[in-house]
Order: sequence, then structure tokens, then C-alpha cells
Amino acid sequence: KQEVTQIPAALSVPEGENLVLNCSFTDSAIYNLQWFRQDPGKGLTSLLLIQSSQREQTSGRLNASLDKSSGRSTLYIAASQPGDSATYLCAVIEGYGGSQGNLIFGKGTKLSVKP
Amino acid sequence: NAGVTQTPKFQVLKTGQSMTLQCAQDMNHNSMYWYRQDPGMGLRLIYYSASEGTTDKGEVPNGYNVSRLNKREFSLRLESAAPSQTSVYFCASKYRVDGAFFGQGTRLTVV
Repeated sequence: KQEVTQIPAALSVPEGENLVLNCSFTDSAIYNLQWFRQDPGKGLTSLLLIQSSQREQTSGRLNASLDKSSGRSTLYIAASQPGDSATYLCAVIEGYGGSQGNLIFGKGTKLSVKP
Repeated sequence: NAGVTQTPKFQVLKTGQSMTLQCAQDMNHNSMYWYRQDPGMGLRLIYYSASEGTTDKGEVPNGYNVSRLNKREFSLRLESAAPSQTSVYFCASKYRVDGAFFGQGTRLTVV
């Protein structure tokens, strides 16, 4: 059974710092991996989708990498801002079998960026 | 462009009451999902529909039923609500193995 783990569970940094959020998964037979942002009381907003054939994807100050063989993904946030404060979730998209295409989520990293 | 729309946004039920959560997507996606989100448990899959006319159980299906009414709509029904079903419910849709889009959620309290 696929398990997705995100470390750390919470992170507090001063504004302007570069930071890395980690995501690991137990079964490398995935199609893709997706990073989301969730603000308190809100839904999930997609940040980046990394195809299984890609090693990284970039959007603005965000860069996500994927290493399927080691079962790891990282989300790098450059020059953090207070507006980046939110919970960040990673989800693997299952590759095979009856659950093909389903998303399996980690429990998230709650990020706080202090002014 | 509405994306994924869930109704209602908030609901309070008494134990034993029934209700249906509605979800509609306008992106012509094949697959639709219902998740629940609880503190410390993350997002857990309740039911999913890989295509119109099919539905399958996810990780936590007990106490729920679903209907894929057509390609756009996927509803979740609680037949006899229990306090353990107090949660935030999210609907999502996607095309095959592409990325998923989520609705804004339904906050359900069962008293």
C-alpha cells in the first residue's frame, strides 16, 4: 500500500529565507506527483505537477523535483514571503492496478513565514 | 471558469439525519473523487469514479454512498449521519493521470 510522508510537519522561517519541503513515498510505481497549497479554511490549490518522466518543474519562486527511484520529491521556495504561509501537501498519482490515477496524500507541512 | 463546485459550503446535521453533498465540474474530466479531511489524518479517499457509470470504494467508504449522475456530477450521500462523520469534505476531478482540481470543500458538523 502506498504511503506518503511529509517532513517536517511544521516549519517557521523568517521572511526572505530559502526553504525546502520534503515528500517521500514507498512505492515508486507512480505516474505523477502533485504539490498543493491549502490556506486555512480553504480548498486545495495546485502548485506544480511533475510528470513521471520529468525530474523537476518550476513556477515562479517554486521549484519541485522528483526522484522516483529513491521515492522522494522536494519543493523549494525561494525568498519566502509572509504570503507563502499555508499548509503544503504533496500527492502521488498511482500508476497501476485498480487504483490507477488516484491521488494519495501526505499529511502536509504547515509553513509560517515571519515578517 | 467555475472548475469544481461543491454545495453546500456548510451544514449542521443531527445524528441519524441524511443528506447529499453535491459536486459538479465543468472541465470534461473523466475521473471524480470524494475525500474527507480530518486533523492529524490528512486527506483520505472515500469513493471515486474513474469514468461515467462506474464507482469504486476508497480507503474509508463505510457510512457513505455515491452516485455518478453524469459526466459532470458526482454526489456523496450520508444515509444516517454519525458524529464520526464530522469533517471537511472535498470533491476533486481530473483527466486520467493529469493533475487534480479540487472544490472549496463542505464543512459538515454532526451533533
